Amino acid sequence: EAQVTQNPRYLITVTGKKLTVTCSQNMNHEYMSWYRQDPGLGLRQIYYSMNVEVTDKGDVPEGYKVSRKEKRNFPLILESPSPNQTSLYFCASSLLLRSGEQYFGPGTRLTVT
Amino acid sequence: GQQLNQSPQSMFIQEGEDVSMNCTSSSIFNTWLWYKQEPGEGPVLLIALYKAGELTSNGRLTAQFGITRKDSFLNISASIPSDVGIYFCAGHNDYKLSFGAGTTVTVRA
Repeated sequence: EAQVTQNPRYLITVTGKKLTVTCSQNMNHEYMSWYRQDPGLGLRQIYYSMNVEVTDKGDVPEGYKVSRKEKRNFPLILESPSPNQTSLYFCASSLLLRSGEQYFGPGTRLTVT
Repeated sequence: GQQLNQSPQSMFIQEGEDVSMNCTSSSIFNTWLWYKQEPGEGPVLLIALYKAGELTSNGRLTAQFGITRKDSFLNISASIPSDVGIYFCAGHNDYKLSFGAGTTVTVRA
């Protein structure tokens, strides 16, 4: 089954404790992206990747890091999480580089206390 | 980032009603898209529009790409209970996708 998977689905952590949210897709997609969803704000793009080792900032990259060492994986790293990073996070992938037609993962709900 | 203004923020539907929502932006987009999100899941693509003025249907859904490339609307005809959810408009340029704040559709009791 074609899908985007994220782990963990739920995470509660404390301020400053480094964490990684994993994202994997099995569709051989070139493009992958991370979004955060907050009430009243819709989804906002954090980082995206056009290919292995090629990444760029979205609209809200501060406090986040990403890497793309393999085509199928695109982890999101929070080096020192803060409470304002409490949010619902989505990973997405797309077959075409210049396409808004994206497949989204199920989401990761992160709480930072 | 580019701001998309989506309205209404929420709506109540009665089975059989036609409903509509729209999205405007101060920026031009090359592609307009509409996604739907159900509780506990990620957004799912409903319709993608690639040309200014384009009108596209997907079953009971109809969407249009505004002639100025700064707006789009989505119509749902003859709504059914499973139409509930959050509908997002999105505009795409190059590698970036920008979303509206969403329209929450709920069934009227």
